[in-house]
Amino acid sequence: AQKVTQAQTEISVVEKEDVTLDCVYETRDTTYYLFWYKQPPSGELVFLIRRNSFDEQNEISGRYSWNFQKSTSSFNFTITASQVVDSAVYFCALGNQAGTALIFGKGTTLSVSS
Amino acid sequence: DAGVIQSPRHEVTEMGQEVTLRCKPISGHDYLFWYRQTMMRGLELLIYFNNNVPIDDSGMPEDRFSAKMPNASFSTLKIQPSEPRDSAVYFCASSPGLAGVTGELFFGEGSRLTVL
Repeated sequence: AQKVTQAQTEISVVEKEDVTLDCVYETRDTTYYLFWYKQPPSGELVFLIRRNSFDEQNEISGRYSWNFQKSTSSFNFTITASQVVDSAVYFCALGNQAGTALIFGKGTTLSVSS
Repeated sequence: DAGVIQSPRHEVTEMGQEVTLRCKPISGHDYLFWYRQTMMRGLELLIYFNNNVPIDDSGMPEDRFSAKMPNASFSTLKIQPSEPRDSAVYFCASSPGLAGVTGELFFGEGSRLTVL
């Protein structure tokens, strides 16, 4: 069965610190898709990135970067020079076997203080 | 275009009462999902529909929970009888296609349920 584990429940950092959010997944599929979402205090979920299992290139988008490693079944998310506006719950997700739904991890609550 | 619309936004009820949560998906979306968010369990998939047909309800916690989608523009999630451990934020989401591939999942604002 598909499973996503985000072992870090809460992380607190001070502005300008770098922070990495861990995500480990389980799947028997050879083709699968991984995602990260952000849930700010307002509650809505915001899509951040999609990665398919055949593309192991790391990706950088501004202060955000993602490290996908199939060998360790991990898809970690790093925020460089964190800002207060980064405070949110971050969810890692895996597409289900049929590709029709998303299985989310429990989320990591990131608090960035000034 | 209107997004996913959920009602009520907040519901406070007493244990044993019936609770009905409502959702209007985005027009044209073929998939509708019900998720539940709690601190302990995170965001859990309860059930999802494709073209109004329930596809996977393996996430529904127990028989007290039921969901229906009588037409393409409306779905309900019912809890009867409700219990304090059902307290959570319930999200409805819709998708135009294979959300597990595209990540295109559009969430409503959620219904915050408190069972006393």
